[in-house]
Amino acid sequence: EDKVVQSPLSLVVHEGDTVTLNCSYEVTNFRSLLWYKQEKKAPTFLFMLTSSGIEKKSGRLSSILDKKELSSILNITATQTGDSAIYLCAVEAGVWGSNYQLIWGAGTKLIIKP
Amino acid sequence: NAGVTQTPKFRVLKTGQSMTLLCAQDMNHEYMYWYRQDPGMGLRLIHYSVGEGTTAKGEVPDGYNVSRLKKQNFLLGLESAAPSQTSVYFCASRRLAGVNEQFFGPGTRLTVL
Repeated sequence: EDKVVQSPLSLVVHEGDTVTLNCSYEVTNFRSLLWYKQEKKAPTFLFMLTSSGIEKKSGRLSSILDKKELSSILNITATQTGDSAIYLCAVEAGVWGSNYQLIWGAGTKLIIKP
Repeated sequence: NAGVTQTPKFRVLKTGQSMTLLCAQDMNHEYMYWYRQDPGMGLRLIHYSVGEGTTAKGEVPDGYNVSRLKKQNFLLGLESAAPSQTSVYFCASRRLAGVNEQFFGPGTRLTVL
């Protein structure tokens, strides 16, 4: 059965700290891995990763995929209170031509204290 | 552009009642999805649609039905609500091709007593 596991489930840090969130997966026919941020309501897209070792970066957020280890990390440097959210990892899987669905992890709840 | 909208935002039902959740998107997306989100369990796919007039079951379809009569709308129905269906329901949509970036609606919080 395909599964995506995120760790830790929750994390509390102080403003200015750097955090690393983890996502590991076991899926058949991996296509891509996506990171989303969920604040109060709807998840919003952060990154999509398809190739190992290539870092995606957006401001203080960065992410990298390791296909050998079947995992990805999301780094947030110089955290701010606005980074407080649930961070969701999802893996897209399926054979070519199928309706690629996303398999979601349970999320990491990140709380940034001032 | 409103993006993805959902109605209602909140609803309380008694066991056995029925209701329909409406999702609408104005991005001309082919794919639409209904998820439920429960604490500690992430998003679970209920049903999805790859185009007008087509629907398919996801991971947790039991107790739900869907219809996609128009490309922009995706309806989720609960015929006989049960307390186990208490959850937050999200609708999402995406383009046919390219990145599987799904755009989400604001969610509907449903409580079944």
